[in-house]
Amino acid sequence: AQSVTQLDSHVSVSEGTPVLLRCNYSSSYSPSLFWYVQHPNKGLQLLLKYTSAATLVKGINGFEAEFKKSETSFHLTKPSAHMSDAAEYFCVVSDRNTDKLIFGTGTRLQVFP
Amino acid sequence: DTAVSQTPKYLVTQMGNDKSIKCEQNLGHDTMYWYKQDSKKFLKIMFSYNNKELIINETVPNRFSPKSPDKAHLNLHINSLELGDSAVYFCASSLGVSGSYNEQFFGPGTRLTVL
Repeated sequence: AQSVTQLDSHVSVSEGTPVLLRCNYSSSYSPSLFWYVQHPNKGLQLLLKYTSAATLVKGINGFEAEFKKSETSFHLTKPSAHMSDAAEYFCVVSDRNTDKLIFGTGTRLQVFP
Repeated sequence: DTAVSQTPKYLVTQMGNDKSIKCEQNLGHDTMYWYKQDSKKFLKIMFSYNNKELIINETVPNRFSPKSPDKAHLNLHINSLELGDSAVYFCASSLGVSGSYNEQFFGPGTRLTVL
């Protein structure tokens, strides 16, 4: 069975400092991985996706993630946080056999001025 | 020009009532989904339909019945509402059956509160 584990339920950073949101995955085959963001009282928006092409994936709003098979990780980073980045972030793996998205438990990012 | 829309945005109702949530997508996608997000923000798939056919049916009480009149619509009807049904329900759509390479686009959610 496939799963993702988000290692931090909350992350707090100051505006202008780097962001690191950690995600480990478990998969019996090469996974498809996604990061989604959910702003307060809003729906989910795709930040980026990994589909076995380049291991470093660039997404929207300056976010990127690196797929590391040896570490079974897919951490999300951004060089410089902005106040508007404050939101809930979900690491997601797609189960190719069942067409299901399997969500992590989410990481709440707070950005302080 | 909303891609995936849901109505209503908020729904407050009494235990035992029957209610429906509607979802429409104008993206031309073949597959639609319903997800439930609980109070701890955990998201779990409930159903998916591909071209009006049920593809995924998770372990959901049979009080929940999805209906897809056409591939642009997927409605969720809930009978005999219970307190535990209080959650945010998200509709999503994607192109094709496989979710592996196809991004799922999410609606804004419907916050259901059962009193």
